[in-house]
Amino acid sequence: QSALTQPASMSGSPGQSITISCTGTNSDVGNYNYVYWYQQHPGKAPKLIIYDVTNRPSGVSNRFSGFKSGNTASLNISGLQAEDEADYYCSSYSSGSTHVLFGGGTRLTVI
Amino acid sequence: QVQLVESGGGVVQPGRSLRLSCAVSGISFSTQAMHWVRQAPGKGLEWVSVISYDAKNIFYSDSVRGRFTISRDNSKNTLYLQMDSLRTDDTAVYYCARGGGVLAGYCHYWGQGTLVTVSS
Repeated sequence: QSALTQPASMSGSPGQSITISCTGTNSDVGNYNYVYWYQQHPGKAPKLIIYDVTNRPSGVSNRFSGFKSGNTASLNISGLQAEDEADYYCSSYSSGSTHVLFGGGTRLTVI
Repeated sequence: QVQLVESGGGVVQPGRSLRLSCAVSGISFSTQAMHWVRQAPGKGLEWVSVISYDAKNIFYSDSVRGRFTISRDNSKNTLYLQMDSLRTDDTAVYYCARGGGVLAGYCHYWGQGTLVTVSS
């Protein structure tokens, strides 16, 4: 079962906004609102930043927002800051043989 | 203070077994699902398995089904992963993560991971 598709890398300047896409199928992203986004800094454990497509856990900056259209989910980061430089992974429930899928990850560089 | 502490990693030969543990404190354990997620060196995250709060519902990824067994002991707030017939491509940092009520991939709290190296 294929992983969700994310761009391998993206970059932006401080203060800008960027959107990371996550494309799946109607067996996962397109048919369920169980889409999650994680941020991972080098050498650290992942951190949940968006759950159920659009919701932010307590303590996560409101500069992070999520949405979905069809089979593609997206993470928007506004007002980029140096600390946002990290790897970002999307995840979704799947009705296929592998219960949960991750995207390949997007390395965000703040330049 | 939320703590998820994995242990049991190490170097093991192909075909051998290893058992990972994840001790949870500071958050509710017995009422929530628990996940194992792994990350091969320099690679992305890969979901491995989930177990419901009562251990009645369990799911595995295609890559480990039939070789790995997830279990939990709610009296000890501890999650386990029994890994048999290990292969070199099982080499990874293994993270435990606390989920929610739905077995859908929600991983709120994460441990720091334990490294498993499968090599002859």
